[in-house]
Amino acid sequence: AQKITQTQPGMFVQEKEAVTLDCTYDTSDQSYGLFWYKQPSSGEMIFLIYQGSYDEQNATEGRYSLNFQKARKSANLVISASQLGDSAMYFCAMRDRQDSNYQLIWGAGTKLIIKP
Amino acid sequence: NAGVMQNPRHLVRRRGQEARLRCSPMKGHSHVYWYRQLPEEGLKFMVYLQKENIIDESGMPKERFSAEFPKEGPSILRIQQVVRGDSAAYFCASSPPGSSTGELFFGEGSRLTVL
Repeated sequence: AQKITQTQPGMFVQEKEAVTLDCTYDTSDQSYGLFWYKQPSSGEMIFLIYQGSYDEQNATEGRYSLNFQKARKSANLVISASQLGDSAMYFCAMRDRQDSNYQLIWGAGTKLIIKP
Repeated sequence: NAGVMQNPRHLVRRRGQEARLRCSPMKGHSHVYWYRQLPEEGLKFMVYLQKENIIDESGMPKERFSAEFPKEGPSILRIQQVVRGDSAAYFCASSPPGSSTGELFFGEGSRLTVL
């Protein structure tokens, strides 16, 4: 069965340090997509980054990069030079069928707190 | 540049009452999705609608829950005879047509509390 696992329920990181949020997934499909979303305390879900299973390079978006290790089935989010505004819940999600981009499978999330 | 608009942001209901949650997708988006988030959990898909059509309701509970997206006006998620277990955050999302990544744009959510 398809599943997303985020093993870190919470993390404290010093401001300006880099942080890695773990995500492992399980799927039998060859074609799938991986997403990271940020949910600040205000509640909205903010799309951060996407990685397709056939993408040869790791996705990057500004300070966000995705460390995609296909053989290990991991898709860790790396935030460089963390800022206080990065404090939020972070969710990893997977789409395992091309035709069901909305039926994402979500992890339980990691609460990231950036310390000044 | 309005995003996905949801209202109300917070709703309190007593057991047995009805809850109506509204969602206006981003301009130019005609596909709407509803999700439920229980505390400390990720989102669970409920229903996917296009204008006047329910495309996929495989995540909707069979009873008490319904959704619509009329030709005019917002999409509405309706929960009849609410119970305490319905307390959750309900998110609406929309997506641009033809998106290759399937990126979803979320609203800020509606938090339902059932007393």
